[in-house]
Amino acid sequence: IAGITQAPTSQILAAGRRMTLRCTQDMRHNAMYWYRQDLGLGLRLIHYSNTAGTTGKGEVPDGYSVSRANTDDFPLTLASAVPSQTSVYFCASSATGQPTEAFFGQGTRLTVV
Amino acid sequence: AQSVTQPDIHITVSEGASLELRCNYSYGATPYLFWYVQSPGQGLQLLLKYFSGDTLVQGIKGFEAEFKRSQSSFNLRKPSVHWSDAAEYFCAVGAGLGRLYFGRGTQLTVWP
Repeated sequence: IAGITQAPTSQILAAGRRMTLRCTQDMRHNAMYWYRQDLGLGLRLIHYSNTAGTTGKGEVPDGYSVSRANTDDFPLTLASAVPSQTSVYFCASSATGQPTEAFFGQGTRLTVV
Repeated sequence: AQSVTQPDIHITVSEGASLELRCNYSYGATPYLFWYVQSPGQGLQLLLKYFSGDTLVQGIKGFEAEFKRSQSSFNLRKPSVHWSDAAEYFCAVGAGLGRLYFGRGTQLTVWP
């Protein structure tokens, strides 16, 4: 089934450790995004990429980095995790061209202890 | 700056009753507007979207929404709610390509 695959589904991580959340899409969408979802705050954009080789900062980029080596993959890295990064992370993708809708993965639940 | 307000954090309705979820947005240009639904432990599923044209848009699962520019609103409606509609609903405004600004969500509980 075409769509977005995120891994892992959930993870408990010690504070200070490095972690990479993986995201792969098979829809050949040029644009990809990472959001975090926190109770009472909705979803907030962390980083985005309009096309392979380019990335940009969203609303809450601090403490996160991304890379976009190819069209299909968009990993999100926490270099040194902190408890405030406990959240549910969603990867999304969209075709280029205005306007367009985003398609979401199933999410990664991350707990930093 | 773009922003979305969903004034109702939690709504409870009886099965078969009508439903309206409120959404107000702030955006400088022509807004692209979306409603997504999230069931527990799941990702987000698009219910409907407004890009241009007819201001009353139809979506999946019997939902509809009306864009009112004068009120900066995009309220979601359903004439008769089913127990399976219990979920969290998010309104969002497009900020370029697929980048979205989300409201904080409205949790819908449906009583049998």
